[in-house]
Amino acid sequence: QKEVEQNSGPLSVPEGAIASLNCTYSDRGSQSFFWYRQYSGKSPELIMFIYSNGDKEDGRFTAQLNKASQYVSLLIRDSQPSDSATYLCAVPPNQGYQKVTFGTGTKLQVIP
Amino acid sequence: DVKVTQSSRYLVKRTGEKVFLECVQDMDHENMFWYRQDPGLGLRLIYFSYDVKMKEKGDIPEGYSVSREKKERFSLILESASTNQTSMYLCASSLTRSIGSSPLHFGNGTRLTVT
Repeated sequence: QKEVEQNSGPLSVPEGAIASLNCTYSDRGSQSFFWYRQYSGKSPELIMFIYSNGDKEDGRFTAQLNKASQYVSLLIRDSQPSDSATYLCAVPPNQGYQKVTFGTGTKLQVIP
Repeated sequence: DVKVTQSSRYLVKRTGEKVFLECVQDMDHENMFWYRQDPGLGLRLIYFSYDVKMKEKGDIPEGYSVSREKKERFSLILESASTNQTSMYLCASSLTRSIGSSPLHFGNGTRLTVT
């Protein structure tokens, strides 16, 4: 089992809809989780991080964490064509130096 | 804002050449990382450094070495470039060693082609 798993997609949603991106992780001791957005040909940029169970909202983005089920999700409300990108889930280790594990990413396509 | 600067956006090198990729960060971050990214394989960690002159192997260190003589600068060295090292190389930094408190900030990437 991979340490961090994401569906590669593409996930296609119409403009204005809610896009739901999911990530599962294997290390039950993981404490924090990051979501990065990567446009084609560009480097990843941090858009959300979450440490606690429950929801964290930032504008149109909501991160949801369920430690018991070992998944973290990213919801994008009112999806825009500019949201079309690959979304990477990242999970730092529970101990040791910061060797962060990335999922392979989910490609999101927002259809106008 | 954190700025991570990679010296080259595109590089073309020949097989067997020694290749240097340079990365500089301007926010006094403790940790620096080198990743490569290939289609379908995601981001793979090559090496990271948590302090000056310190380095740790990542998941795919073979064929690479690194140097961190100053806190702000982390260099990736391909001792003898091979075609299977054609890839996008991403440098990143993070503030502290504290687990979970410090996200990675990436440079713009260097697309290396080895012919």
